[in-house]
Amino acid sequence: GNSVTQMEGPVTLSEEAFLTINCTYTATGYPSLFWYVQYPGEGLQLLLKATKADDKGSNKGFEATYRKETTSFHLEKGSVQVSDSAVYFCALSVYSGNTPLVFGKGTRLSVIA
Amino acid sequence: NAGVTQTPKFQVLKTGQSMTLQCAQDMNHNSMYWYRQDPGMGLRLIYYSASEGTTDKGEVPNGYNVSRLNKREFSLRLESAAPSQTSVYFCASSEKRTGLQHSNQPQHFGDGTRLSIL
Repeated sequence: GNSVTQMEGPVTLSEEAFLTINCTYTATGYPSLFWYVQYPGEGLQLLLKATKADDKGSNKGFEATYRKETTSFHLEKGSVQVSDSAVYFCALSVYSGNTPLVFGKGTRLSVIA
Repeated sequence: NAGVTQTPKFQVLKTGQSMTLQCAQDMNHNSMYWYRQDPGMGLRLIYYSASEGTTDKGEVPNGYNVSRLNKREFSLRLESAAPSQTSVYFCASSEKRTGLQHSNQPQHFGDGTRLSIL
């Protein structure tokens, strides 16, 4: 089946530190990959996406590269800010199958000044 | 532009009571979804509707029913609430799955309904 595994949190970083949140996937066919972010008290928002191997998604200083050979889609940011504190979800979507979008369990990030 | 609107935002129920969670979207999307979010479990799909007039079970459908009232609205009903259904419920919508385009379409989420069942 299709599944997403992401690193467990919480992750606590100082402002301006480098961020990596690991995400690996298992999928039939050729999935599209997404990162969503959830700020406190809000719903999920799309952060970035990649639809084929070697694509790099980027937004708000965050980046992730679709690596088919390692089935990974790790999220990175060079210098985090306090405002980046949130829960981050990796997700995949495949054309076939009953579940339109499969989410990882989420990683909580706290950035301290 | 409101996007996806969920009502109510908070609700407390007693075991055995029933209630309906409402969801409406104004983006003319064909597909709509209901998820529940529990600590350490991420988001789990309850039901979804690929287009008006159709509904399908997701990962955790037991204890729930849905109605796709029209293209804009997709409601979730708990007929006899149980403490295990205490959760945060999210509604989402996306463009219709048409061929390979489905896999590229992100979902847009509402702000959630926080439901507690005593």
